[in-house]
Amino acid sequence: AQSVSQHNHHVILSEAASLELGCNYSYGGTVNLFWYVQYPGQHLQLLLKYFSGDPLVKGIKGFEAEFIKSKFSFNLRKPSVQWSDTAEYFCAVNSNTGGFKTIFGAGTRLFVKA
Amino acid sequence: GAGVSQTPSNKVTEKGKYVELRCDPISGHTALYWYRQSLGQGPEFLIYFQGTGAADDSGLPNDRFFAVRPEGSVSTLKIQRTERGDSAVYLCASSLARAGPTDTQYFGPGTRLTVL
Repeated sequence: AQSVSQHNHHVILSEAASLELGCNYSYGGTVNLFWYVQYPGQHLQLLLKYFSGDPLVKGIKGFEAEFIKSKFSFNLRKPSVQWSDTAEYFCAVNSNTGGFKTIFGAGTRLFVKA
Repeated sequence: GAGVSQTPSNKVTEKGKYVELRCDPISGHTALYWYRQSLGQGPEFLIYFQGTGAADDSGLPNDRFFAVRPEGSVSTLKIQRTERGDSAVYLCASSLARAGPTDTQYFGPGTRLTVL
């Protein structure tokens, strides 16, 4: 079955700490991978996405993610978090052969202490 | 420009009633998606429209759920004989659909449905 697993449901960090949020997927075929973010009181918005090429993808606000095909992973990283990164982060996957059906993980709530 | 809008923002109804949830996508976006998000979970795919037609409705949980997009713009999600388990935030998203599944989806604020 198609699924996305996010390892941490809640993460608390101090400002300037490094961040890595885990994401593993189970999905047949060639995959497209996404990280979406929801800041408090705002809509879900795209942080970054991967569909081909360089497996290290850079997104907005200094975030990056690395696609490791052999590990079925797409972990999100940021070298130094800020208080404004407090949000909920969702990993998502779809496939060029699966139509537009996108599967989301359960999300990780990040709280950054000032 | 205007983003995806959804109305109402909150809907409280009684078990067994019928509800309609509306989504206005970004102008020019031909792809439209409906998701359901339960507490503590990520968005769960319900249905995807390309233009007026439902290209993939595999996520609709049962035949009480139905969605339309008659003119290829506004969409309405319809739930018949609501059950308490239908309580969730219903999200709508739209995309240009030029690049296919790799398109960025733009989400609306959601409609919080509570079934008493």
